[in-house]
Amino acid sequence: QQQVKQSPQSLIVQKGGIPIINCAYENTAFDYFPWYQQFPGKGPALLIAIRPDVSEKKEGRFTISFNKSAKQFSLHIMDSQPGDSATYFCAARWEDKIIFGKGTRLHILP
Amino acid sequence: DSGVTQTPKHLITATGQRVTLRCSPRSGDLSVYWYQQSLDQGLQFLIQYYNGEERAKGNILERFSAQQFPDLHSELNLSSLELGDSALYFCASSPRDSQETQYFGPGTRLLVL
Repeated sequence: QQQVKQSPQSLIVQKGGIPIINCAYENTAFDYFPWYQQFPGKGPALLIAIRPDVSEKKEGRFTISFNKSAKQFSLHIMDSQPGDSATYFCAARWEDKIIFGKGTRLHILP
Repeated sequence: DSGVTQTPKHLITATGQRVTLRCSPRSGDLSVYWYQQSLDQGLQFLIQYYNGEERAKGNILERFSAQQFPDLHSELNLSSLELGDSALYFCASSPRDSQETQYFGPGTRLLVL
């Protein structure tokens, strides 16, 4: 299955909380897993990415946790801020194509 | 600002017509990607060009075609337009052909009436 299933569709978190967005896949040939952030009226922007031989990657307040055996990966945003309110997409690469999840609309309450 | 430019920003046209979307990649980037974003299908990869050659193909309809020119800018041609082609079309660029670290442009919003 050449899909990446993303959940939840939307998420509301208080400022300072830790929103968690989850993604799951079936295809073990996926070899690169990026996360993109998209603000209204803008194109997606690469946030952080991980390869399947690594279980965790942190960049600033953003952390990817990767569970190869479960074929799942997730994005955690530490100390979330209202400015983090955006749509987040997980994705995976297969045969030179990037396949995106459906996106999660995140709203951080002030 | 990603450094990727797309024109036009908005385009309104009628069914059956043909349009051309233009993309200029970041300076030095050799790869250009085209994506379609719609509410029901999400973000879908259409096609990638690397240094003028087609590199990878996704869910691109036969009515759609693209090319990358010697100056590395790219055009996406959409013909025999249907209502369902209404969407945001994004161009992205990256330094290499590996699909990693893509920089997206602001998009062209196409409305087919």
